[in-house]
Amino acid sequence: SYELTQPPSVSVSPGQTARITCSGDALPKKYAYWYQQKSGQAPVLVIYEDSKRPSGIPERFSGSSSGTMATLTISGAQVEDEADYYCYSTDSSGNHRGVFGGGTKLTVL
Amino acid sequence: EVQLVESGGGLVKPGGSLRLSCAASGFTFSSYSMNWVRQAPGKGLEWVSSISSSSSYIYYADSVKGRFTISRDNAKNSLYLQMNSLRAEDTAVYYCARDATGSSGYPYYWGQGTLVTVSS
Repeated sequence: SYELTQPPSVSVSPGQTARITCSGDALPKKYAYWYQQKSGQAPVLVIYEDSKRPSGIPERFSGSSSGTMATLTISGAQVEDEADYYCYSTDSSGNHRGVFGGGTKLTVL
Repeated sequence: EVQLVESGGGLVKPGGSLRLSCAASGFTFSSYSMNWVRQAPGKGLEWVSSISSSSSYIYYADSVKGRFTISRDNAKNSLYLQMNSLRAEDTAVYYCARDATGSSGYPYYWGQGTLVTVSS
């Protein structure tokens, strides 16, 4: 079955740039999406269609995709950005089955 | 305001069955694809199933195919997940989630989840 691979953890100091990667064989043909999940809460979409930001999401969140890797970048990470981040996409078989990456714990301290 | 409220979770023995429901409000339910996503305790998100607005297209994760059935009742603004032959590894919080636009293919609005525990 199709898989998306993320690093388990990323750590930065406040104000630094955090980059979280997501690799998957179908990413050249499929969009990547990024969700933020804080402890005990439902996920929140922070990036859709590789690089678009939903309304209400701070400008410091950006996304990009090249080849088999998508990247979520948080420029000037804040303490409140500490959370788990998940990439999401669909497999390449055309049947729209979703898949999440394993998640990356972002620590900002 | 979009609201999704899951119900039906609880404790069930291995091999048992459970039916989850999701009550939707604040939008035209019949116009959107819907999803179930689960999260085992301390683990990551796992996409479970999705259903198109008219129920014409239904997809399942390999881990639940043949055991779970997704359905919807557009007249009742409700989404369902019938779970049979439950296993310990199905223990998770189950989230109902609406696609961003009609059939965009990705969840945007999420409920708060309902906990399913499979244990003897």
